[in-house]
Amino acid sequence: LAKTTQPISMDSYEGQEVNITCSHNNIATNDYITWYQQFPSQGPRFIIQGYKTKVTNEVASLFIPADRKSSTLSLPRVSLSDTAVYYCLVGTYKYIFGTGTRLKVLA
Amino acid sequence: DTEVTQTPKHLVMGMTNKKSLKCEQHMGHRAMYWYKQKAKKPPELMFVYSYEKLSINESVPSRFSPECPNSSLLNLHLHALQPEDSALYLCASSPPDRIFQPQHFGDGTRLSIL
Repeated sequence: LAKTTQPISMDSYEGQEVNITCSHNNIATNDYITWYQQFPSQGPRFIIQGYKTKVTNEVASLFIPADRKSSTLSLPRVSLSDTAVYYCLVGTYKYIFGTGTRLKVLA
Repeated sequence: DTEVTQTPKHLVMGMTNKKSLKCEQHMGHRAMYWYKQKAKKPPELMFVYSYEKLSINESVPSRFSPECPNSSLLNLHLHALQPEDSALYLCASSPPDRIFQPQHFGDGTRLSIL
């Protein structure tokens, strides 16, 4: 199973773009990259998933370089409500959560 | 609101009690999961059911006993738990018919062992 490494924490101000990078050096050919958001006392919520290049949805973008050894979650114009823990997961069937990144958005 | 419903939301039990956690989904998902999450830690996978059969047990102590009576329901039976078992227990589901489908999580049961 591919291990993921993310920054433990990040601070940002409202209205800024936030980029969270995840390293997954031993990603396998069939592995997808998935990001989740978790608020206190709630279950994780799916944000975005990708295999290669760039994926965009209504809340985020996911950038994956050609070697797929890392990925970057981009949150445009964050607000206070985006304060949460963000997890990067890599795999095909079995989910192993890494430490996650605690994002704090400041007013 | 989530599409995966977990009950109860909170549970306090003694070390000699027997209790059960319940998880229900009506999305037609055929894979269901139990996770344990300690405070300020990531969720840890405990069990995976695929088409109502146990497919993964992450070496969980036998005081935790999962059960999947049908495709919509997942239970976790608890017996003789220890104080270190106090945690948030999360249930999730996903359709297993495609590789690496994103999981839908419930909001968990907060378990406290006295």
